[in-house]
Amino acid sequence: EIVLTQSPGTLSLSPGERATLSCRASQSVRNSYVAWYQQKPGQAPRLLIYGASSRATGIPDRFSGSGSGTDFTLSIRRLEPEDFAVYYCQQYGSSFQTFGQGTKVEIK
Amino acid sequence: QVQLVQSGAEVKKPGSSVKVSCKASGGTFSTYAIIWVRQAPRQGLEWMGGIIPIFGTTNYAQKFQGRVTITADESTSTAYMELSSLRSEDTAVYYCARGMWGDTPVGRYYFYMDVWGKGTTVTVSS
Repeated sequence: EIVLTQSPGTLSLSPGERATLSCRASQSVRNSYVAWYQQKPGQAPRLLIYGASSRATGIPDRFSGSGSGTDFTLSIRRLEPEDFAVYYCQQYGSSFQTFGQGTKVEIK
Repeated sequence: QVQLVQSGAEVKKPGSSVKVSCKASGGTFSTYAIIWVRQAPRQGLEWMGGIIPIFGTTNYAQKFQGRVTITADESTSTAYMELSSLRSEDTAVYYCARGMWGDTPVGRYYFYMDVWGKGTTVTVSS
């Protein structure tokens, strides 16, 4: 099973700042099959990024994903108030999918 | 636009089973995967398994093998997740989600999830 480790656990930033979230895999993720989700309290997750760098439908271009192999990054350029949430990475490059433990982006 | 509507909250005794439904409306049901993900209180997301209704094939996470059964009824565009031998650690919100899938050189893989239900709270308590 591929273990995903997200860092940092919590990111304290102000609106307008840039957020950089990391997701590291215990082994290489085939075809960069990594997705990122945003989850707000009491809500279901929302797909942001798939295939490491492709934005899902309707996702603003301030969200971007990058990476390959074992290291993946979600960047949020100029945080908006609605971006403060928990973010999860997911790998689907193996027969058993796994999620990271999440990074909380909170208002500083 | 497809929507996934899940059944209501459940309270169950340890050792019993729970069956949660997920009805799709407004889009194609059979050709996508329906995937189940759970989230224990104040915890992260956990992939449980999925089904591709057009094939009827399932894939379960090793942790849940033998305890979870995922089925789908194409005639009603409804998927079901049944979890047996419930214990307190199964207390969680259970989400269904529409998933992408594909055939790869190493087999049929479930991919990411683009549409999610609102979740069903299952509480296991004596």
